[in-house]
Amino acid sequence: DQQVKQNSPSLSVQEGRISILNCDYTNSMFDYFLWYKKYPAEGPTFLISISSIKDKNEDGRFTVFLNKSAKHLSLHIVPSQPGDSAVYFCAATANDYKLSFGAGTTVTVRA
Amino acid sequence: DAEITQSPRHKITETGRQVTLACHQTWNHNNMFWYRQDLGHGLRLIHYSYGVQDTNKGEVSDGYSVSRSNTEDLPLTLESAASSQTSVYFCASSESNRPYEQFFGPGTRLTVL
Repeated sequence: DQQVKQNSPSLSVQEGRISILNCDYTNSMFDYFLWYKKYPAEGPTFLISISSIKDKNEDGRFTVFLNKSAKHLSLHIVPSQPGDSAVYFCAATANDYKLSFGAGTTVTVRA
Repeated sequence: DAEITQSPRHKITETGRQVTLACHQTWNHNNMFWYRQDLGHGLRLIHYSYGVQDTNKGEVSDGYSVSRSNTEDLPLTLESAASSQTSVYFCASSESNRPYEQFFGPGTRLTVL
């Protein structure tokens, strides 16, 4: 039973516009959330994270929002750039260092 | 530069054979993890270790084993390879004071015929 769900398998966005990726989770014990980015034939790389005591974390063009009551988080990329074309994974942990991952969303940034 | 490496990068084997995938990190991280990536499932945890001589089962551990004899290495063994174990395998590590931010290796693509 997948505890972290990314219901949109793909997203296409024009260069310069905003990309919004969504993630839902079911385990109320999750207290730390992360986003990873993955290019083909490479391992995932850490992008940004948020603790459950916050509702927003920003790092340059990337912002993660957390809505604990809805068990929902989102990643905003503004502005989107061609190098952002990749698979994005949402992940969550319940303070035991183990990560539960979503299935991923493939982002394509169009010129 | 510190890094995490996996070998081989590609492997084709036959059903029933024993296979070992290597993972080596030079960050001196205590925590190490093995995941498999399959379409529609994202990454699923196979085994993990919090230090030398420590190993733990993840959510999809059946048919896999690991051992941790030093800080740098966590080899993953498929005791008797099955076609259902055809997948891409990723090793990761993290440091104790930032345990959630895992650093991943480049992956091993394993095909079991």
